[in-house]
Amino acid sequence: KQEVTQIPAALSVPEGENLVLNCSFTDSAIYNLQWFRQDPGKGLTSLLLIQSSQREQTSGRLNASLDKSSGRSTLYIAASQPGDSATYLCAVLVGDMRFGAGTRLTVKP
Amino acid sequence: GAVVSQHPSWVICKSGTSVKIECRSLDFQATTMFWYRQFPKQSLMLMATSNEGSKATYEQGVEKDKFLINHASLTLSTLTVTSAHPEDSSFYICSARDGSRGGTDTQYFGPGTRLTVL
Repeated sequence: KQEVTQIPAALSVPEGENLVLNCSFTDSAIYNLQWFRQDPGKGLTSLLLIQSSQREQTSGRLNASLDKSSGRSTLYIAASQPGDSATYLCAVLVGDMRFGAGTRLTVKP
Repeated sequence: GAVVSQHPSWVICKSGTSVKIECRSLDFQATTMFWYRQFPKQSLMLMATSNEGSKATYEQGVEKDKFLINHASLTLSTLTVTSAHPEDSSFYICSARDGSRGGTDTQYFGPGTRLTVL
């Protein structure tokens, strides 16, 4: 059974810092991996989707990498802002989507 | 881009009543829809997978008689929480897979429904 783990569970940084969120999965037979943002009490906002054949995707200040063989992905956020404060979820598609527990990010002004 | 809507966005009900949540794909046909549940400060847990015109497949530990899923058309799936109890209070999120794209690609998520059972 696919298990998705995210580290750290929570992270607090001052504004302007670059940061890395980690995601690991136990079964490398995935179709794709997706990073989402979730604000409190809200639904999911898709940030980046990496197909299994890809190594990374970039959107603005966000960069996600995928190493399928080692079962790892990272989400890099450059020059963090208070508006980046949210929970970030990693999910892998294996027929259906399996989610990690998320990293709760707080960016302090 | 593909849009998935949910209705209602929130609902409060008394214990023992049944609540129906709708999930619609607005601009594409969804051959497969998924229902997730999210408890506070926890991640999304898949409850069931539904294919249009057939019975839903439930994950282990999810009571099919309590969480009734109907996927009667290519754009609509409903989740009915029967005889709801306070422990059913949660955030329910649906997602839909665009059947025109080969079936294994992106899932599109609805905005979620907050259920509170008093």
